[in-house]
Amino acid sequence: AQTVTQSQPEMSVQEAETVTLSCTYDTSESDYYLFWYKQPPSRQMILVIRQEAYKQQNATENRFSVNFQKAAKSFSLKISDSQLGDAAMYFCAYRRAQGGSEKLVFGKGTKLTVNP
Amino acid sequence: IAGITQAPTSQILAAGRRMTLRCTQDMRHNAMYWYRQDLGLGLRLIHYSNTAGTTGKGEVPDGYSVSRANTDDFPLTLASAVPSQTSVYFCASSVETNTGELFFGEGSRLTVL
Repeated sequence: AQTVTQSQPEMSVQEAETVTLSCTYDTSESDYYLFWYKQPPSRQMILVIRQEAYKQQNATENRFSVNFQKAAKSFSLKISDSQLGDAAMYFCAYRRAQGGSEKLVFGKGTKLTVNP
Repeated sequence: IAGITQAPTSQILAAGRRMTLRCTQDMRHNAMYWYRQDLGLGLRLIHYSNTAGTTGKGEVPDGYSVSRANTDDFPLTLASAVPSQTSVYFCASSVETNTGELFFGEGSRLTVL
């Protein structure tokens, strides 16, 4: 079974600085998708960024970028120029691309605090 | 605004009572899901449905049931609630089961006493 591990239960960063959240996953599949979701105190789950495993280029969305290392099964999220509004729980998630696995598997989350 | 609507937003329930959490989407997505979120455990899949008329079990299905009579609705029922079912429940949907991201509702906080 696929598993997703977020080894940092909590992280903190100074406003305007850069922070990297770690995520590793375990799978025997070659084709899959990886996601980072943000959950602010409002409880809403918000998609931050998505990566297709067949793409070598790392995904980027404004201040958010990933470092996707397929061989190492690592998928870290870098937040640049951190803002107070970035404070939230961040969840890494995995999904198979083929073959009837219909679920998104989540890590346990990393709570990010942004200090002014 | 299109999206997923969950109800109720919050509920306190006595153990042993029956409870149905409602979920409706207006995006015409094929697949729908129920997750529960618990502190330190992340989100875990309870049940899912790839299309109307079909359902499947997720990681933690015991004590829960679902139905998918049509594309838009995917209710989650606790037949006899127990305190360990105290959690925040999220309904989600996606266009395709294996390629798309999930779109989430705002969650339902359930407390079982």
